[in-house]
Amino acid sequence: KQEVTQIPAALSVPEGENLVLNCSFTDSAIYNLQWFRQDPGKGLTSLLLIQSSQREQTSGRLNASLDKSSGRSTLYIAASQPGDSATYLCAVHYGGATNKLIFGTGTLLAVQP
Amino acid sequence: KAGVTQTPRYLIKTRGQQVTLSCSPISGHRSVSWYQQTPGQGLQFLFEYFSETQRNKGNFPGRFSGRQFSNSRSEMNVSTLELGDSALYLCASSLDTTGGTYGYTFGSGTRLTVV
Repeated sequence: KQEVTQIPAALSVPEGENLVLNCSFTDSAIYNLQWFRQDPGKGLTSLLLIQSSQREQTSGRLNASLDKSSGRSTLYIAASQPGDSATYLCAVHYGGATNKLIFGTGTLLAVQP
Repeated sequence: KAGVTQTPRYLIKTRGQQVTLSCSPISGHRSVSWYQQTPGQGLQFLFEYFSETQRNKGNFPGRFSGRQFSNSRSEMNVSTLELGDSALYLCASSLDTTGGTYGYTFGSGTRLTVV
């Protein structure tokens, strides 16, 4: 069964800290992996997309890595800010017959000023 | 360019009624997917449409249905509403069925409350 797990479920850090969010998936035959951010009651905002052939992607203070062989991805946030407070979701895309995103349960991040 | 547009933003319906939600994808995107988000189950895949054809369906009862029009706009319908259908319904569009180079773009969602 294709499952995606995110650890930790919740995280509280002081402003300015660097932090790492973890995502693991059981089936390594992924097409790509996408990290999203969700603010309360809102839709999903795409942060980074990593193709299965890539090892990492960077956007501003965000860096996502992918290790298909171990079934893991990490999202690194540098110099966190209160505006980074949100739920972060990892979604794995499998192609073929399972053409859909499978989401993790998310990490709720609170950055304290 | 305009993002993914979902209407309405909020809905309150009574048990037993039916509801139709609408999604307009990004211009040029031909694939539209629907997801249900609840506190207990998280985000779950409902179905995906590409060029007016349902390509993939999640594990939901037949009360949940959808369609896609020639302009790629999509609607989903839920009949005989139950309390458990209360959720945030999210629509995502992509250039093609593989999620492509640019991945999926989500709308702001429709919050459905069944009373």
